[in-house]
Amino acid sequence: DAGVTQSPTHLIKTRGQQVTLRCSPKSGHDTVSWYQQALGQGPQFIFQYYEEEERQRGNFPDRFSGHQFPNYSSELNVNALLLGDSALYLCASSFRSGSSYNEQFFGPGTRLTVL
Amino acid sequence: KNQVEQSPQSLIILEGKNCTLQCNYTVSPFSNLRWYKQDTGRGPVSLTIMTFSENTKSNGRYTATLDADTKQSSLHITASQLSDSASYICVVSANGANNLFFGTGTRLTVIP
Repeated sequence: DAGVTQSPTHLIKTRGQQVTLRCSPKSGHDTVSWYQQALGQGPQFIFQYYEEEERQRGNFPDRFSGHQFPNYSSELNVNALLLGDSALYLCASSFRSGSSYNEQFFGPGTRLTVL
Repeated sequence: KNQVEQSPQSLIILEGKNCTLQCNYTVSPFSNLRWYKQDTGRGPVSLTIMTFSENTKSNGRYTATLDADTKQSSLHITASQLSDSASYICVVSANGANNLFFGTGTRLTVIP
């Protein structure tokens, strides 16, 4: 059983460009959350997708957007990249049971470097 | 304000020694507390998860404790190995796993 997978592993972009990161959840999971982790810091919640809709959002600008597909995989898009967007982007999946949520399993992350 | 604070920020120990990492939180209402191990450049991997009623939980050489009254948790690592070198992150959940509050982690380095 494959766990959470993310692609690409590493990515280098320049300021002003746009980037798309991809995540496939763990088998049986239907909820995907995205986090940004700056070097030496804990992960910061970006947003969460369930049933192809954004359900919750952290304190991130509209430059950060996402999408969830019918197969539960998800994309994170960042427009007009800034140097400060350089970070490890983590995807976590979980199974939503009724109104509660189960443990989140993290992917290996995508290291984004903005030059 | 919901916060999770960890100490120390970094720690260096000799292989075979024990160590204890601390986590204090102000998250409310408390749902559960997790300790994650994160290798450099990799995603966090869960070590333990504890709910309000649990005081201690072990996972091999890792033992986590929780004092819900003082809102403190610790992670004790026994007989450390070089592979234990990583960041250890304390994560507290409020109202279920959806609302997670992360500490900044303790960077542990085990040297031979």
